[in-house]
Amino acid sequence: EVQLVESGGGLVQPGGSLRLSCVASGFTFSRGWVTWVRQAPGKGLEWVANIKQDGSEKNYVDSVKGRFTISRDNAKNSVYLQMNSLRVEDTAVYFCARDYTYYFQSSGYYYDALDIWGQGTIVTVSS
Amino acid sequence: AIQMTQSPSSLSASVGDRVTITCRASQAIRNDLSWYQQKPGKAPKLLIYAASSLQSGIPLRFSGSGSGTDFTLTISSLQPEDFATYYCLQDYYYPRTFGQGTKLEIK
Repeated sequence: EVQLVESGGGLVQPGGSLRLSCVASGFTFSRGWVTWVRQAPGKGLEWVANIKQDGSEKNYVDSVKGRFTISRDNAKNSVYLQMNSLRVEDTAVYFCARDYTYYFQSSGYYYDALDIWGQGTIVTVSS
Repeated sequence: AIQMTQSPSSLSASVGDRVTITCRASQAIRNDLSWYQQKPGKAPKLLIYAASSLQSGIPLRFSGSGSGTDFTLTISSLQPEDFATYYCLQDYYYPRTFGQGTKLEIK
């Protein structure tokens, strides 16, 4: 079965740290980008970060730059999100997703979309 | 960052209705846009990629269109399982950005 499973969420005080994990199974993990998306309670989706197949390229939303680090270990089919200097506003469900690239031969263009999602892990930042 | 503005924010409709949700980008994004459906307590599900390509396994009543800055998601005949929140996501610029969501409710 193709799936992603997140773990590592929990309750942490402001200024604290957490490391989230996302483990893939059922597909060739090392071929694709992986993305983290979060959703604050009662709010919409927010794109957080993504990482290239070999880890050589990483992108972040401005609000987490310098505090969060995305990494991966293809031998373990895993992607991680190290979250430091956590703030109350980082409270959310964190989802990982496979960032699949579709190739259109007719145009020669590539398109990305998040085609497989984990169930999410809850991060609560509170004193 | 690119702003993605969805409209309406919420929508009441009946089973069998045709509904359209709009997403507007603050800058042109070619057709690098995807649509997602999310039900309460669940992960989002990919419906449409590249603005108009239907993801495998998604019913044909879902369709997408648009290019540049204006995009639409259309559900041709609402089914009970379609009542959910829908999001667009631009995949052209970093950081990627979602629309704020459209909650589709039963009338």
